[in-house]
Amino acid sequence: GAVVSQHPSWVICKSGTSVKIECRSLDFQATTMFWYRQFPKQSLMLMATSNEGSKATYEQGVEKDKFLINHASLTLSTLTVTSAHPEDSSFYICSARELAGDERETQYFGPGTRLLVL
Amino acid sequence: AQSVAQPEDQVNVAEGNPLTVKCTYSVSGNPYLFWYVQYPNRGLQFLLKYITGDNLVKGSYGFEAEFNKSQTSFHLKKPSALVSDSALYFCAVRGKLIFGQGTELSVKP
Repeated sequence: GAVVSQHPSWVICKSGTSVKIECRSLDFQATTMFWYRQFPKQSLMLMATSNEGSKATYEQGVEKDKFLINHASLTLSTLTVTSAHPEDSSFYICSARELAGDERETQYFGPGTRLLVL
Repeated sequence: AQSVAQPEDQVNVAEGNPLTVKCTYSVSGNPYLFWYVQYPNRGLQFLLKYITGDNLVKGSYGFEAEFNKSQTSFHLKKPSALVSDSALYFCAVRGKLIFGQGTELSVKP
């Protein structure tokens, strides 16, 4: 149980284009999903928290107009990198938590999406 | 402010030997603590968590962690390391996870 998928696993795009990454909880309902960014050999940096049916909460320094997050259903959240540039190249990881507002609940992570912007 | 520290960037262990990956924390309130493992080019896999109760928590793949309130530590341990345990390990605190910087574990045969 508690499986989270991400699609695509790899994406290469041209500078200026937009890229959408999907995160799905396969066997549970995720009222809260999180989006992280990870640089090589570094820890995960939380970008934003999304709750189903409401606007995402972005961490300080993360541009909400550049990283659009939609959490339209209890099993799907999407991250769209708009007008991507080479500096947006990174490993993007989502996670999902089953119970809203309960800090004790475990986050389950997707396998990650590697984005390369040329 | 909440924080987590993993003082070792890398831990090297011989196969069959016990391993310890260290983590210390600083939180206000109850310390809900987690350990995750990351294999190359993969997301994180949940290993174990401490919420309340027994200070020794058992998790996946033979790992365990000991919560020590006086030392504000939550070290990850395994009695006998396997080569397949080689990966990046992250300690994290509370629901909106605050991650340590990660410790790369290398187990040599």
